[in-house]
Amino acid sequence: AQSVTQLGSHVSVSEGALVLLRCNYSSSVPPYLFWYVQYPNQGLQLLLKYTSAATLVKGINGFEAEFKKSETSFHLTKPSAHMSDAAEYFCAVSEGSSASKIIFGSGTRLSIRP
Amino acid sequence: EAGVTQSPTHLIKTRGQQATLRCSPISGHTSVYWYQQALGLGLQFLLWYDEGEERNRGNFPPRFSGRQFPNYSSELNVNALELEDSALYLCASSLGPLAPHPFTDTQYFGPGTRLTVL
Repeated sequence: AQSVTQLGSHVSVSEGALVLLRCNYSSSVPPYLFWYVQYPNQGLQLLLKYTSAATLVKGINGFEAEFKKSETSFHLTKPSAHMSDAAEYFCAVSEGSSASKIIFGSGTRLSIRP
Repeated sequence: EAGVTQSPTHLIKTRGQQATLRCSPISGHTSVYWYQQALGLGLQFLLWYDEGEERNRGNFPPRFSGRQFPNYSSELNVNALELEDSALYLCASSLGPLAPHPFTDTQYFGPGTRLTVL
């Protein structure tokens, strides 16, 4: 069965600092992995997705994530935080099977300090 | 290009009533997905429709149902409302399932309908 764990429900960084949001997954078959962002009072927006091609995935707004099979991780990073990055971030996993379900992590709220 | 739209923005119902939520996908998109974002439970996949057919559903009871119309818009119906159904219901659309795995499609989300059950 697939599952996803996001470590840290709230992360706070200074503007210009590195952003690191952690995501670990569990899947019995090669997974598809996603990061979504939800700005206040808005729906979700796809940041990036891993679909078994390159292990380092680049997304929008300067974010990227690296798929590490040995660590079952898919951490999200951004070299330099911007105030506009303040939002809730969700990691999600879906198995590459016809069952076609998606499981979301509990979310990490990112705050940016001036 | 208009994004995914949902109506109403807010909906207040009492326990036992029925709620109907509506979603209009981006023009040209054939797949519509419904999600529930409840406090304490996180974001959960509810239903997926494509070309008018229900393709998959999450772990929700049968009182959560819906349909997709010929113009690809969709309705989510929740019968016999319970207090714990209070949540933000998000709709998303995509171009259509990339066989065999629809969730690799990029999904575009609407702003959601906030359902409050009293």
